[in-house]
This record gives sequence, C-alpha cells and structure tokens, in this order.
Amino acid sequence: DAGITQSPRHKVTETGTPVTLRCHQTENHRYMYWYRQDPGHGLRLIHYSYGVKDTDKGEVSDGYSVSRSKTEDFLLTLESATSSQTSVYFCAISSGDRNEKLFFGSGTQLSVL
Amino acid sequence: AQKVTQAQTEISVVEKEDVTLDCVYETRDTTYYLFWYKQPPSGELVFLIRRNSFDEQNEISGRYSWNFQKSTSSFNFTITASQVVDSAVYFCALRTGTASKLTFGTGTRLQVTL
Repeated sequence: DAGITQSPRHKVTETGTPVTLRCHQTENHRYMYWYRQDPGHGLRLIHYSYGVKDTDKGEVSDGYSVSRSKTEDFLLTLESATSSQTSVYFCAISSGDRNEKLFFGSGTQLSVL
Repeated sequence: AQKVTQAQTEISVVEKEDVTLDCVYETRDTTYYLFWYKQPPSGELVFLIRRNSFDEQNEISGRYSWNFQKSTSSFNFTITASQVVDSAVYFCALRTGTASKLTFGTGTRLQVTL
C-alpha cells in the first residue's frame, strides 16, 4: 500500500471557522492532489501540486487554498468554512512517470454546521 | 476539455450473474490514460487498472475484464460471476497526455445480493 496519511480522519466544525487538512506521504512522489467526493458528482479536483511550492487549481478551487513546503506534506485550507464544503476529502499521490497510478489516502469526512 | 461519463448510476445483480459497467470518455488528446477504481463500503479508493491510448488490447484479471474501444471512446468493465464482495462504487477516470490529473466519472454503484 502507498504510504499516504490524511489527518484528521473526521472533523466537525462551524461555519466561518478556518480548517486545515493535512496529507502526508512517505513515497517521495512529485505529484499530490486534493479531491472532494460528493453524491452525484464523483471525485472533483480541488488543487494539485507538481513540486515543492508549485501548485495549481482544479475544477472546484473556490474557497480553498493549498500549500506544499515539503515534498511529503500537502495542506488544504478552508479559510472560512461553509456548509457547501461539507464533503469527503481525498488526498492522492502520483509519481508522474510513464507507469503512474494515483494512490489515494483514506479520506477525511468534514462536516460544516 | 476532458469528460468521463458513467451513465449507470446504480446496478443490482444477483450473485453469480455477469455485469458490465459502462464508461465513455471524451478528449481531443491522442495520448491519454484510462483508469478504473473501486470504492467498497469502507470508503477507500482501490486502483484496479490503468490503460493507455496506444494499447487497445483487452485485459483480463481473474473475474475482471476490461474492453477498451477507441472507435466508440469506451472503456467498459465486466465482472464475471459476481460476488457479494464486489458490491462497491466503481469509478472510471481519464488522464490526458499533457495533464497530470485525473478526471473522474460520477461512479456506478454495484449491489450484488445473494
């Protein structure tokens, strides 16, 4: 199994509060991703990173920011959480080589009340 | 732009039946990669297969088989002699040659009953 750890696994917070989710990998992979999963939408890309301090937006990036100061860590921040951000968040990693596969973390269930 | 369509939202079968999950993709790139992932009730996402656009050979792995047809832009997944443990949501995904991110379909929930 790929070494990906997401924390926390579950989080309940209130509208308007900041929230940070952490993704930690031990594979030294170049690419890291944050997806959210919602019923009827599958998985949608929020942000991704292609190296330390190199990030880009995905299809649903509004209201989210990311940071990657080290190869192994990719942080997702909700600056001011809203109820529409209640979701399951998945981190994924990829080597980016010719035979790459995305490996996913176990997910974080976030509830914004 | 790239898009993946999984038109079947839910499928219910009785154990030992064969079942095919459909996946249709759209991309203008000539180099691309197709994936299938399984999400069992426990919630994790499990990689099943990766196929590149240059390889149209069908693949079989035990009870699982995949039919890739560029002519119809489809990458369908068949489970033979389904089992209760196959109950899960299955996602098809696409990565183009110029991008490093997967675009997912909305998933097909498969329920296998005794």
